[in-house]
Amino acid sequence: DIQMTQSPSSVSASLGDRVTITCRASQGISSWLAWYQQKPGKAPNLLIYAASSLQSGVPSRFRGGGSGTDFTLTISGLQPEDFATYYCQQSNSFPLTFGGGTKVEIK
Amino acid sequence: EVQLLESGGGLVQPGGSLRLSCAASGFTFSNYAMTWVRQAPGKGLEWVSAISGSAISTYYADSVKGRFTISRDNSKNTLYLQMNSLRAEDTAVYYCAKDPSSSWPHFDIWGQGTMVTVSS
Repeated sequence: DIQMTQSPSSVSASLGDRVTITCRASQGISSWLAWYQQKPGKAPNLLIYAASSLQSGVPSRFRGGGSGTDFTLTISGLQPEDFATYYCQQSNSFPLTFGGGTKVEIK
Repeated sequence: EVQLLESGGGLVQPGGSLRLSCAASGFTFSNYAMTWVRQAPGKGLEWVSAISGSAISTYYADSVKGRFTISRDNSKNTLYLQMNSLRAEDTAVYYCAKDPSSSWPHFDIWGQGTMVTVSS
């Protein structure tokens, strides 16, 4: 199985800050990675697929990058609605696996 | 409007069974693979199972293989998860989700989730 490791597990940031979250796969997954945002009590929301493709309706301040084993999600200019938990997910092979999550908190 | 609506969750004793349903609307259900993802209280997301649009292919996490069965009825636009031999560690919110891709699964539409509690 492919293990997905996210870092950091939590980050404190202020409005307007730029935040970068990292996701590392235990083996190469090409560009088959997605990013989701989840707010408390809500279902996850797809942000990025194929490592860097922005899902329709998602603000352009969200940017995904990377390939192979190392990936990033960057949020530029944090907005109040961006404080949430973010998960990566590999879609290279079954069983599909998620990272452990990164909670973005208000400083 | 594209929508997924789960039902069937509840409280069940260890060793018991439960069947979850996910009613889809607003898209051609049979054209898309579907998946179940769960989230234990206070924990992260865990992929559970997936099924192709035609139901020919199914996939399972090792943690549920042999106990859970995914299926779908394309005539009813409904996805199912039959859960048998339930354990305390199966306690979670279960989400169904739609996979827009034909080759690299990711999930663009999610239901609101249904809670399953396994406890005596």
